[in-house]
Amino acid sequence: GENVEQHPSTLSVQEGDSAVIKCTYSDSASNYFPWYKQELGKRPQLIIDIRSNVGEKKDQRIAVTLNKTAKHFSLHITETQPEDSAVYFCAASSSASKIIFGSGTRLSIRP
Amino acid sequence: GAVVSQHPSRVICKSGTSVKIECRSLDFQATTMFWYRQFPKKSLMLMATSNEGSKATYEQGVEKDKFLINHASLTLSTLTVTSAHPEDSSFYICSATGNPGTEAFFGQGTRLTVV
Repeated sequence: GENVEQHPSTLSVQEGDSAVIKCTYSDSASNYFPWYKQELGKRPQLIIDIRSNVGEKKDQRIAVTLNKTAKHFSLHITETQPEDSAVYFCAASSSASKIIFGSGTRLSIRP
Repeated sequence: GAVVSQHPSRVICKSGTSVKIECRSLDFQATTMFWYRQFPKKSLMLMATSNEGSKATYEQGVEKDKFLINHASLTLSTLTVTSAHPEDSSFYICSATGNPGTEAFFGQGTRLTVV
């Protein structure tokens, strides 16, 4: 089955700097890669997703890149702000299968 | 986005009793629902996948007789923790999707404490 690995487990960046979180997946049939943000005590919320027919997608300060050959995908947050502090999860899914999550990255933004 | 409601949000039960958790999609038909367990400061561990009208598919290591899942309609799935023990205490969260390979929406989660 699918296995998703996520790095780093914790990340601390200065406010205004960029943050990058990386994931790898194992199942070449996976074609949908969402990223979720989970604030303390709250449910995960989708922040951006990408499908295997595109290599990059951007939404304001957030961008995601996908390398299908290498089975890598990454989340990039630019101009980080205090409200970006949360746990971020990557995930992978195929059109016929379940959503498997990475282990999560706890992002802290230093003022 | 679509709304998924999970109930109850918190429950405390005695060891040996059973607890039922409901997950409802309020404004869309959920062909697939997922049940996850989340330990403190840990990731979402997939327990099982349920499709409406069919038996749930359990992940390796998850006891299907202990965690009973029913997906009787396109808007409701239930997870029953049978004969609960303190080690079953955890945060359980469901998610639902209308089509496989598309965005899944999460319920607010249920914090189960077994005493």
